[in-house]
Amino acid sequence: QVQLVQSGAEVKKPGASVKVSCKASGYTFTNYAMHWVRQAPGQRLEWMGWINGGNDNTTYSQKFQGRLTITRDTSATTTYMELSSLRSADTAVYYCARDRGIPVAGNWFAPWGQGTLVTVSS
Amino acid sequence: SYELTQPPSVSVSPGQTASIICSGNKLGDKYATWYQQKPGQSPVLVIYLDTKRPSGIPERFSGSNSGNTATLTISGTQAMDEADYYCQAWDGSTEVVFGGGTKLTVL
Repeated sequence: QVQLVQSGAEVKKPGASVKVSCKASGYTFTNYAMHWVRQAPGQRLEWMGWINGGNDNTTYSQKFQGRLTITRDTSATTTYMELSSLRSADTAVYYCARDRGIPVAGNWFAPWGQGTLVTVSS
Repeated sequence: SYELTQPPSVSVSPGQTASIICSGNKLGDKYATWYQQKPGQSPVLVIYLDTKRPSGIPERFSGSNSGNTATLTISGTQAMDEADYYCQAWDGSTEVVFGGGTKLTVL
């Protein structure tokens, strides 16, 4: 079955960077884009960006431009999300979520990874 | 930027119908998606393309979208349906937006 397994929890100091991985299995990795979504404690889901399935093209939310990098390793069927210049407001659970295919308006996300808690604290 | 607004909470008695709304400017011109999130768990897709239900999602879940409002309806609500529900839409072709979420309480 389709499965997304994320890396474990991280604790980082302000100003540092964090890199979270998302290992995919059960489907053809290059046929589907991958999105990253985060959720601060008690807050709404917040879309961060995506990487295409068939190439390395990425699209980022304007909010994270300059701080966010999404990459992938096709041979390892793994997608990575790196966020730099961390601050306390970045403390959140970070999710990867598979697109239904090539990202187009109206698409949906399923399944989602189990989430990775990133805590930013001095 | 595009915004989606949901009521913070909705309460329903077991067996009754719950309606959760999501409001956005001309939302009916876009596709609405709904996710269910239980405490400590990842979101799960329950409705896509306004009205479609993924395999494995009970028939009591349905959706509609018209004008400025999308609605998630749960008929014959069960205790297991108690969760947070989020609507989602696209702003243009590159930005994804989520609503603030609605906590459904089954009393």
